[in-house]
Amino acid sequence: AQSVTQLDSHVSVSEGTPVLLRCNYSSSYSPSLFWYVQHPNKGLQLLLKYTSAATLVKGINGFEAEFKKSETSFHLTKPSAHMSDAAEYFCVVSDRSGGSYIPTFGRGTSLIVHP
Amino acid sequence: EAQVTQNPRYLITVTGKKLTVTCSQNMNHEYMSWYRQDPGLGLRQIYYSMNVEVTDKGDVPEGYKVSRKEKRNFPLILESPSPNQTSLYFCASIGGYYNEQFFGPGTRLTVL
Repeated sequence: AQSVTQLDSHVSVSEGTPVLLRCNYSSSYSPSLFWYVQHPNKGLQLLLKYTSAATLVKGINGFEAEFKKSETSFHLTKPSAHMSDAAEYFCVVSDRSGGSYIPTFGRGTSLIVHP
Repeated sequence: EAQVTQNPRYLITVTGKKLTVTCSQNMNHEYMSWYRQDPGLGLRQIYYSMNVEVTDKGDVPEGYKVSRKEKRNFPLILESPSPNQTSLYFCASIGGYYNEQFFGPGTRLTVL
């Protein structure tokens, strides 16, 4: 069985300051992990994915995430927030449980960026 | 261009009037899925399909039906819509070794 917990429902930062969105997961197998972003009234866009090639994953728009197996975490970071980063962010885990590929979504973290 | 398409994008209907939301992907993916998104609840899986003629319930299947007669299409059917099915619906397909999901643009459904 797999699960995802996004530890914060809302994160508020000032423009130009660092962003940290936290995600913890559980998985019985070697998981694939993803972060998706959803801007207001838009669909979901893939930010980055972890696929066991490297623990530090770089995504689009300056975002990064680090896979820490010992902490079962996959936190999303960005050194300097921009106003355009204001959106909903979803952490997703997907493993091959029983040969299937059923992904599990976190409940989302709303990132608010103040000028 | 690799994509997942959904139609309609917006729909307002009345209680009890059957409707279908279409979903199509052009990436030859075997796995497809429907989600609904509601404020504070994130995305919840309604149904998924591992391949043609193979469908299974997700977390919130009540009030929905699906079919998978062809690999590329995975329509969502509401036989008798109710107001609690007012939501934003996303179709997705999964492909590649690392199970990346590709999402459609979403369908905003309002049931009066």
